[in-house]
Amino acid sequence: GAGVSQTPSNKVTEKGKYVELRCDPISGHTALYWYRQSLGQGPEFLIYFQGTGAADDSGLPNDRFFAVRPEGSVSTLKIQRTERGDSAVYLCASSLTAARGLVSGANVLTFGAGSRLTVL
Amino acid sequence: GENVEQHPSTLSVQEGDSAVIKCTYSDSASNYFPWYKQELGKGPQLIIDIRSNVGEKKDQRIAVTLNKTAKHFSLHITETQPEDSAVYFCAASRGYSTLTFGKGTMLLVSP
Repeated sequence: GAGVSQTPSNKVTEKGKYVELRCDPISGHTALYWYRQSLGQGPEFLIYFQGTGAADDSGLPNDRFFAVRPEGSVSTLKIQRTERGDSAVYLCASSLTAARGLVSGANVLTFGAGSRLTVL
Repeated sequence: GENVEQHPSTLSVQEGDSAVIKCTYSDSASNYFPWYKQELGKGPQLIIDIRSNVGEKKDQRIAVTLNKTAKHFSLHITETQPEDSAVYFCAASRGYSTLTFGKGTMLLVSP
């Protein structure tokens, strides 16, 4: 597609519920990233995929958070037993590649508009 | 890990004035420094970036400077326009794309 698409744009849920957020990256981009942005803060890294595998998941805050990218394209961020502190905008980004140590236009990130999650 | 500090948190200027936003980073191995602009309800959009083998880069009204010794980099916007109003984020990384962002600067350009 023309850009990174994220659904839903807004999600309101109750504490303790399960949530899935979807990201559809730019066609042909092999690297996909999830960031979380709390109000008044910069985006914080959660996880990134190179192809189907999670290359770095060091930013996931705890085991309630999980992400998959089974076919190397669309990714789903899954949050179990949601807590009020999970409320934030979840941003997805993609890049052509994410080769470590390589700095080039190929690993410039393009972000989606985000999914705003509100946990009541 | 990397830590990025960004100042000021808010910046108000008159249309036509210049605006400068400054960032410092902690990891001397960082070699990629992008700047993103985020408008209300939208995701961050890359406006300019610089790599550590370059000291300055310019693109029309925006420019970025990098001082590797001092570990700081700055965004300069000249001839500001109301449509420049947004939140600006600096970021740093080691070449792979796990960016560490600053907390952002809200720029308000008054007509």
